[in-house]
Amino acid sequence: QKEVEQDPGPLSVPEGAIVSLNCTYSNSAFQYFMWYRQYSRKGPELLMYTYSSGNKEDGRFTAQVDKSSKYISLFIRDSQPSDSATYLCAMSLNAGGTSYGKLTFGQGTILTVHP
Amino acid sequence: DADVTQTPRNRITKTGKRIMLECSQTKGHDRMYWYRQDPGLGLRLIYYSFDVKDINKGEISDGYSVSRQAQAKFSLSLESAIPNQTALYFCATSAGQGKHQPQHFGDGTRLSIL
Repeated sequence: QKEVEQDPGPLSVPEGAIVSLNCTYSNSAFQYFMWYRQYSRKGPELLMYTYSSGNKEDGRFTAQVDKSSKYISLFIRDSQPSDSATYLCAMSLNAGGTSYGKLTFGQGTILTVHP
Repeated sequence: DADVTQTPRNRITKTGKRIMLECSQTKGHDRMYWYRQDPGLGLRLIYYSFDVKDINKGEISDGYSVSRQAQAKFSLSLESAIPNQTALYFCATSAGQGKHQPQHFGDGTRLSIL
């Protein structure tokens, strides 16, 4: 079983829809949670970063972490064609030494927002 | 100019050849990473380096080696390439001080091994 599982998609939605992207994880030691966005032929770019359980909002994007259920989500409101990309969840341990800073990624979800 | 630069952007080569992928950064970060990305598998860590004298294996290091020539340069080598190493390769960097720091990625090298 992978440490991080991400809904594979692909996901296709009309412009203006609310998008929900999800990941589950098995390692309760994960403490840092990130969402990266990756456009075609580009590297992943950090979109959202959270440390604790709860919600974090940034414009049209909301990241949600539920540590008790080992579940994280990214919501995109009023989705736009420019949001079409691959979305990757990533997690990191809160430990010192060589574990610190290493990321474990989900498989990625391809999102297409059509006009 | 990009903060994290990978060269080449694309490479096609034959089985058994030695290949080097290069990464340079202008962000002044201590930590550098090499990942590969395959469809349906996400990004998997190959090697990482927390400073010039510190090199560590990731989850899929077999068949790969790295060299950290300077704080700003981190290269990945495939000593004898095989077809299942065909993938998209990414270099990333992060700052090393204090609390957890996010990683910043280059735009990748698309490697095809025939």
